[in-house]
Amino acid sequence: DAKTTQPNSMESNEEEPVHLPCNHSTISGTDYIHWYRQLPSQGPEYVIHGLTSNVNNRMASLAIAEDRKSSTLILHRATLRDAAVYYCILVQGAQKLVFGQGTRLTINP
Amino acid sequence: GAVVSQHPSWVICKSGTSVKIECRSLDFQATTMFWYRQFPKQSLMLMATSNEGSKATYEQGVEKDKFLINHASLTLSTLTVTSAHPEDSSFYICSARVRGRNTEAFFGQGTRLTVV
Repeated sequence: DAKTTQPNSMESNEEEPVHLPCNHSTISGTDYIHWYRQLPSQGPEYVIHGLTSNVNNRMASLAIAEDRKSSTLILHRATLRDAAVYYCILVQGAQKLVFGQGTRLTINP
Repeated sequence: GAVVSQHPSWVICKSGTSVKIECRSLDFQATTMFWYRQFPKQSLMLMATSNEGSKATYEQGVEKDKFLINHASLTLSTLTVTSAHPEDSSFYICSARVRGRNTEAFFGQGTRLTVV
C-alpha cells in the first residue's frame, strides 16, 4: 500500500481556514486520494476524495499538487465541530482502506 | 448518503464468552465489507475483508479462528469474537463501499467491546 505522511497534530482558531497537508510521494497513477475524519468514540466519516483535479464539496476542498505527490485538505471556516483526527488515504479502485496515524486537529474558540 | 449501521454500540462480556457484532448496509448492497479494530489513542487497524458468499480475507497477524466473519447477504456482515479475553477489549468498526470504482467508504458508528 502506498504510504502517506501527515503531521501528528495541528491547531487552528474557530472561523479561520485550515490547511491540512498530506505527502504521498510514492502515489501510483491509479491511486485516489481520500480524506476521512474521526470524532472521538465514533467511526470515521468521509470528507472528500479526488484523483488529479481539485475537488470541492459542502464540507471541504481538496487541492492536489500537479505531480500528485502531495495534497491539502482545506476547511474554509473551521468550527469547534471540526475538531477531529483527519486521515489522508490512498485508495485503488474498490480496494481496502489502510489508515495511517492521521492529523489531530484542535480548534480553539 | 449511504448508511452503515453497527450493533451493538457497546457490549460488556465475561472472559471466555463469545460476542457477535453486526454490520448492516442500510440503503445499498455491499459485496465487500471491512472490519477494523482501534485501541485508545491509536489509528484504525484493518482486521479482515468480508466477502459476500465466500470466506473472509484476514490481514497478517489476525487469528481467523478467533475473529469469525460471516457475510451471508449483501447487506449484513457479522464479526464474532470467540472466547474473548480482556486484551480483546477494543473499539471495533465496520466499513462498506458502494459497488463500483472510485467511491467513498462508509463506516459504522463502532462497537465498544469490554471483556471483564
